[in-house]
Amino acid sequence: DAGITQSPRHKVTETGTPVTLRCHQTENHRYMYWYRQDPGHGLRLIHYSYGVKDTDKGEVSDGYSVSRSKTEDFLLTLESATSSQTSVYFCATMPGEREASFSEQFFGPGTRLTVL
Amino acid sequence: GQQLNQSPQSMFIQEGEDVSMNCTSSSIFNTWLWYKQDPGEGPVLLIALYKAGELTSNGRLTAQFGITRKDSFLNISASIPSDVGIYFCAGHGRNNAGNMLTFGGGTRLMVKP
Repeated sequence: DAGITQSPRHKVTETGTPVTLRCHQTENHRYMYWYRQDPGHGLRLIHYSYGVKDTDKGEVSDGYSVSRSKTEDFLLTLESATSSQTSVYFCATMPGEREASFSEQFFGPGTRLTVL
Repeated sequence: GQQLNQSPQSMFIQEGEDVSMNCTSSSIFNTWLWYKQDPGEGPVLLIALYKAGELTSNGRLTAQFGITRKDSFLNISASIPSDVGIYFCAGHGRNNAGNMLTFGGGTRLMVKP
């Protein structure tokens, strides 16, 4: 398993406050992803990164921004949290195309975020 | 967004029974993956399939990459209580700018001791 950690693991915040979630990996994987998981919706991609400072939007990117200043860290920011962003957030990584397991994605343990 | 068609959505079975679930797609994939998610945890990769027709086992789990490259199935034999969780299929295709996976909606497995 890729060494992927997420922090914090749990957070309760109030509507309108900014929130930043951190994903840290120790496997030197090129690609990193942020998903949210809600009942009835499965895993939905928020943003992804294909390299340092290279990011793009996923299917549910509104209200979220990301940054990747170094290979190992991928930050997800909710600029002004809303109750609809209450969810479980997962970070994932994938190796680059030159690696044997390049089509395998590895997940972090998740962050449970509650916006009151 | 695009999702794979995964069925069944949920299963409630007796311990010791065999389980079968599958995923279908309108698109061709070059890799099929199966994950398990325990309650409160992130998905964990169980099996990766790379060739059409490939049949791969991991303990009591067996998965197959459909010959058309548009489907895959996962079988669990002799289920036990710790098999409880959500099982996800995922497909990976070529020419995928973000190297992204397409996920199924998940199969929730419940096992009665």
